[in-house]
Amino acid sequence: RKEVEQDPGPFNVPEGATVAFNCTYSNSASQSFFWYRQDCRKEPKLLMSVYSSGNEDGRFTAQLNRASQYISLLIRDSKLSDSATYLCVVRTVGGGADGLTFGKGTHLIIQP
Amino acid sequence: GAGVSQSPSNKVTEKGKDVELRCDPISGHTALYWYRQSLGQGLEFLIYFQGNSAPDKSGLPSDRFSAERTGGSVSTLTIQRTQQEDSAVYLCASSPRGGGTNYGYTFGSGTRLTVV
Repeated sequence: RKEVEQDPGPFNVPEGATVAFNCTYSNSASQSFFWYRQDCRKEPKLLMSVYSSGNEDGRFTAQLNRASQYISLLIRDSKLSDSATYLCVVRTVGGGADGLTFGKGTHLIIQP
Repeated sequence: GAGVSQSPSNKVTEKGKDVELRCDPISGHTALYWYRQSLGQGLEFLIYFQGNSAPDKSGLPSDRFSAERTGGSVSTLTIQRTQQEDSAVYLCASSPRGGGTNYGYTFGSGTRLTVV
């Protein structure tokens, strides 16, 4: 089983709709969780950290389910500019790269 | 500087040649990471530097790859005798410290390496 798994998509969503996607992780000892956004031919950029109680940043809501070992990202009132690849990132103590493992990303396309 | 700076932004090299890629992290960031990303693929961890500790080299794919970090700041990734499968975008990232809880990375814009 891969350490961090995401549905690669693409998710094709009309502008204004709500879209959600999940990410599952295999190591129950994982401690910290992030969502990154990567635009085409650009570097990944931190979108938001994911806290145990769930957190919201404007139109974006992230949630963590430790029991089922998944995190989710929900985007409300989607904009054309939300089109990107969303990377799930998990930190596990003792792993290489400071314990950070990146998923391969979910490709989101917002259609006008 | 304000962000993570990488150079060159693009590099085309002939198979068998050596290349050096440079990363200048955000000032004061003690942790520095190298990743590579092939077309349509996820990020592949290469090497991690944290302060004055020995680097974590567990992700380097072969002994043709090496990296150093001088003075706890600028890092150079060297690929010797390049092969076509080395073609990828090489990304550098830094963070305020390693081993933290919710510290994310800041990535540079990458070096796009093409081996012909």
